[in-house]
Amino acid sequence: KAGVTQTPRYLIKTRGQQVTLSCSPISGHRSVSWYQQTPGQGLQFLFEYFSETQRNKGNFPGRFSGRQFSNSRSEMNVSTLELGDSALYLCASSKQGATNEQFFGPGTRLTVL
Amino acid sequence: AQKVTQAQTEISVVEKEDVTLDCVYETRDTTYYLFWYKQPPSGELVFLIRRNSFDEQNEISGRYSWNFQKSTSSFNFTITASQVVDSAVYFCALRALNRDDKIIFGKGTRLHILP
Repeated sequence: KAGVTQTPRYLIKTRGQQVTLSCSPISGHRSVSWYQQTPGQGLQFLFEYFSETQRNKGNFPGRFSGRQFSNSRSEMNVSTLELGDSALYLCASSKQGATNEQFFGPGTRLTVL
Repeated sequence: AQKVTQAQTEISVVEKEDVTLDCVYETRDTTYYLFWYKQPPSGELVFLIRRNSFDEQNEISGRYSWNFQKSTSSFNFTITASQVVDSAVYFCALRALNRDDKIIFGKGTRLHILP
């Protein structure tokens, strides 16, 4: 069974640009959650999607958005990038939701210059 | 407000020693879940355990064991007979089932197992 895949694995952008990250969950998993990991703030919850609906959202500005497609694949978008957005972005999938066992992808390392 | 505190930033032990990672949490909710995750150098988080607030039974899985005590709001993790492969960052997390339904992670404990 294939695991959670995230593309791209590495990304370099400049301030002001926008970026889209993609996550393909494990087959059969309907819940996808996104997290940001930085050395300073640690792991922070961004949002969770279940069956194409956003279930909840973390304390991030509106520049951070996401969506989930009918095949459960998810994308997150960050507009008007700032230096502080440099981070490892992790995606996790689960069958029923984030209170259940989550399987994480390898992450996308975003560097904003 | 909810909070997870992992007071130990970094721990080093010699292989085969036992080691306990501490996790203290704060929540006013009565229904919540606690988790432990492992993040090896490869970066991919690995789920280790989930415990709900109504189940205070301790759990053992091989060399791993967890001690959940509501009275002290702690959910500690012990590795017995540690091995070099246990070297990783370990995160404790809390998710309360309330209107503000978010998962909160501790800052993590970096564990070094020395050969």
